Amino acid sequence: QSVLTQPPSASGTPGQRVTISCSGSSSNIGSNTVSWYQQVPGTVPKLLIYGNNQRPSGVPDRFSGSKSGTSASLAISGLQSEDEADYYCAAWHDSLNHNWVFGGGTKLTVL
Amino acid sequence: QITLKESGLTLVKPTQTLTLTCTFSGFSLSISGVGVGWIRQPPGKALEWLALIYWDDDKRYSPSLKSRLTITKDTSKNQVVLTMTNMDPVDTATYYCAHYGSRWPNNWFDPWGQGTLVTVSS
Repeated sequence: QSVLTQPPSASGTPGQRVTISCSGSSSNIGSNTVSWYQQVPGTVPKLLIYGNNQRPSGVPDRFSGSKSGTSASLAISGLQSEDEADYYCAAWHDSLNHNWVFGGGTKLTVL
Repeated sequence: QITLKESGLTLVKPTQTLTLTCTFSGFSLSISGVGVGWIRQPPGKALEWLALIYWDDDKRYSPSLKSRLTITKDTSKNQVVLTMTNMDPVDTATYYCAHYGSRWPNNWFDPWGQGTLVTVSS
């Protein structure tokens, strides 16, 4: 059970806009920046968003991130079939150990 | 271009110690803000962060696995080694190493190695 909570699944049709939420606490999202990772089935995870809303070069601007308080969101606009993948949020968790945490992942299905 | 590759035994017996090596290129682990982390993923399950070593040899571990993990680096060889003791079948997973970057207050894991599937079975 991760300290970052994501819905297990999400879906949308091509062209739609979908959002994936990531809920945390003042010890993680509330005090640190969030990154998002995309894992297409059978492939290596790829950085999608860092610093809450920054896109690495090469990531389409259809992908956007936001953060408010202790929650973060990933939005995908103009949904495409190749966006079908698992998406993970992540952040530092400020505890005694100061450890990194991933969310439980959200499986996005393009209908 | 940054690349990383994991290597090590892919089949270990219960109670044995797993040793994985991450060999990387395209960056130096002596540069401020840089690190190498280990993340694993059991078949069909979510990502789980294991450990991170920084350029200054600071180390961070998953609280739930801290007693079993050791992470070290050899900057001259561009390698990071993760050892996990007392392996159990539930530790069967694909183990990834990844470049950790930071530019305050932002941080990220990118890119990742191809991963190595470790099976724990007698």
